[in-house]
Amino acid sequence: DAGITQSPRHKVTETGTPVTLRCHQTENHRYMYWYRQDPGHGLRLIHYSYGVKDTDKGEVSDGYSVSRSKTEDFLLTLESATSSQTSVYFCAILQEQNTEAFFGQGTRLTVV
Amino acid sequence: GENVEQHPSTLSVQEGDSAVIKCTYSDSASNYFPWYKQELGKGPQLIIDIRSNVGEKKDQRIAVTLNKTAKHFSLHITETQPEDSAVYFCAVNAGGTSYGKLTFGQGTILTVHP
Repeated sequence: DAGITQSPRHKVTETGTPVTLRCHQTENHRYMYWYRQDPGHGLRLIHYSYGVKDTDKGEVSDGYSVSRSKTEDFLLTLESATSSQTSVYFCAILQEQNTEAFFGQGTRLTVV
Repeated sequence: GENVEQHPSTLSVQEGDSAVIKCTYSDSASNYFPWYKQELGKGPQLIIDIRSNVGEKKDQRIAVTLNKTAKHFSLHITETQPEDSAVYFCAVNAGGTSYGKLTFGQGTILTVHP
């Protein structure tokens, strides 16, 4: 599992509430990514980080923000959750020596 | 941006048969092509990858071929087993400013019947 832990694993929240998902890694990787997975779309990149306090937008970043105050933690925040953000969210790290990406177990988020 | 198309969306085979999944991509600068297997309730798991300077790579029963001219690459699974049943995703990375960022295909549900 490349030392990746996502929390929570499941969450149900109401429309309009803020939600934060956490990705924790134990192997000191510089690059971390947040993807969402939806039927028919594969996985799509939301945001990524290339170091502490260094983040950038991905393909589907609207409605999401991220923060990385420590190497080991990459947080994804939905400021005001909407039903369209119901999805499975995956965190990934990049092994720079071979550019291989490894994924966490995912967080299933339901916005009602 | 990069566009990746994956076919077929579902594939059903008998145990022992071969399975082939194909992906096409749009960005000729793409140089890294991994394949992921995802089992129910789990995250995608890297099973094999290929880089643009290689045409084919094998690892036991799985192989990947790359045709850079035609911009497509394929996953080949031989002697399929029921435990190969899963969702398979292809992905593409262009390197450079896209370093580490993957664009995924839509996925293929593979079912291997005993």
